[in-house]
Amino acid sequence: AQSVAQPEDQVNVAEGNPLTVKCTYSVSGNPYLFWYVQYPNRGLQFLLKYITGDNLVKGSYGFEAEFNKSQTSFHLKKPSALVSDSALYFCAVRVPSGSARQLTFGSGTQLTVLP
Amino acid sequence: DTGVSQDPRHKITKRGQNVTFRCDPISEHNRLYWYRQTLGQGPEFLTYFQNEAQLEKSRLLSDRFSAERPKGSFSTLEIQRTEQGDSAMYLCASSLGQSNTEAFFGQGTRLTVV
Repeated sequence: AQSVAQPEDQVNVAEGNPLTVKCTYSVSGNPYLFWYVQYPNRGLQFLLKYITGDNLVKGSYGFEAEFNKSQTSFHLKKPSALVSDSALYFCAVRVPSGSARQLTFGSGTQLTVLP
Repeated sequence: DTGVSQDPRHKITKRGQNVTFRCDPISEHNRLYWYRQTLGQGPEFLTYFQNEAQLEKSRLLSDRFSAERPKGSFSTLEIQRTEQGDSAMYLCASSLGQSNTEAFFGQGTRLTVV
């Protein structure tokens, strides 16, 4: 069975500072990894994904994520945080083969960027 | 708007009543997913369609829940004899037919059972 862990329920960072939101995963085989962001009372918005290739992937709004196979991690990063980045962030995993086609999500990390 | 749309956005119902939600996916997407999200949690998978075929159902999907996608386009999720524990945000998502493609989510239907 596949699973995702987001060890931090809450991350606070000052505007202009770099941010990291952590994610680790557990799957059988090679994973497809995704980050989504959710604003209050809204659906999930896709940020970026890792499928294969370069371990550093870039996505929307200046976000990037680094895939680390040995540590089974896919941490979300941004060099300089904005107040508008404050939202709920979800990491998700999917396996590329087999019967499971759904995304499995972590429990989410609330990011607060302080002005 | 060419995104995933869900209707209604909010539903308040009395315990024991039946409710039905609708999802219209992005038109070229052949995969459609239903998720449930409770406060402070990540979305939990309920069921998945490829075209009109329901290919997977979670153990979360009790006998009171049924989903259809009759012509491979829109989908409905029905909950019969609602219980207070059914109160949640119900999210629909759609994607293209490859596993490496991202899913696009609707804004969800918030169900409150009183």
